Amino acid sequence: AQSVAQPEDQVNVAEGNPLTVKCTYSVSGNPYLFWYVQYPNRGLQFLLKYITGDNLVKGSYGFEAEFNKSQTSFHLKKPSALVSDSALYFCAVRAAPSSGGSYIPTFGRGTSLIVHP
Amino acid sequence: NAGVTQTPKFRILKIGQSMTLQCTQDMNHNYMYWYRQDPGMGLKLIYYSVGAGITDKGEVPNGYNVSRSTTEDFPLRLELAAPSQTSVYFCASSSGDTSNQPQHFGDGTRLSIL
Repeated sequence: AQSVAQPEDQVNVAEGNPLTVKCTYSVSGNPYLFWYVQYPNRGLQFLLKYITGDNLVKGSYGFEAEFNKSQTSFHLKKPSALVSDSALYFCAVRAAPSSGGSYIPTFGRGTSLIVHP
Repeated sequence: NAGVTQTPKFRILKIGQSMTLQCTQDMNHNYMYWYRQDPGMGLKLIYYSVGAGITDKGEVPNGYNVSRSTTEDFPLRLELAAPSQTSVYFCASSSGDTSNQPQHFGDGTRLSIL
């Protein structure tokens, strides 16, 4: 069965500092990986995805993520955090087509990012 | 540009009552999903559908029912509300199993059962 682990319930960072939100995954075959952000009283919004190709993918609002196949990780990063980045972040994985795994995405439990002024 | 629309946004039910959470999408997506979100627990898949007339159970289907008579609509039914069903419910849609596109989510229905 596929799974996602977000080992930190909460990440605290000062505004202007770099941030990292961690995600590791387990899936049958090649993964499709996604990051979503959730603001209070809103649904999840797509940030970025890894499908194939470059291990460093860039997304919305200056976020990027690095795919590491050997470590089965897909950590979310941003060079300079903003107070407005404070939100709940979810990592998700599904199997690529023809990989034999589930095409229904599995989500992590979420990481609360708090950026202090 | 509506995307995924959920109604109602908030609801309070008494134990034993029933209700239907509505979800509609205007992106012609084949796949639709219902999740519940409880604090610190992430998203739990309740039911999903890969097209009109086809539904399947997710991780936590007990106490819920769904139907998919059209591509656009995917209502979630609670027949006998229980306090354990107090949660925030999200509907989502996506293109399909061969697509690399992400899911689109509604803004949720906040349900309290007292």
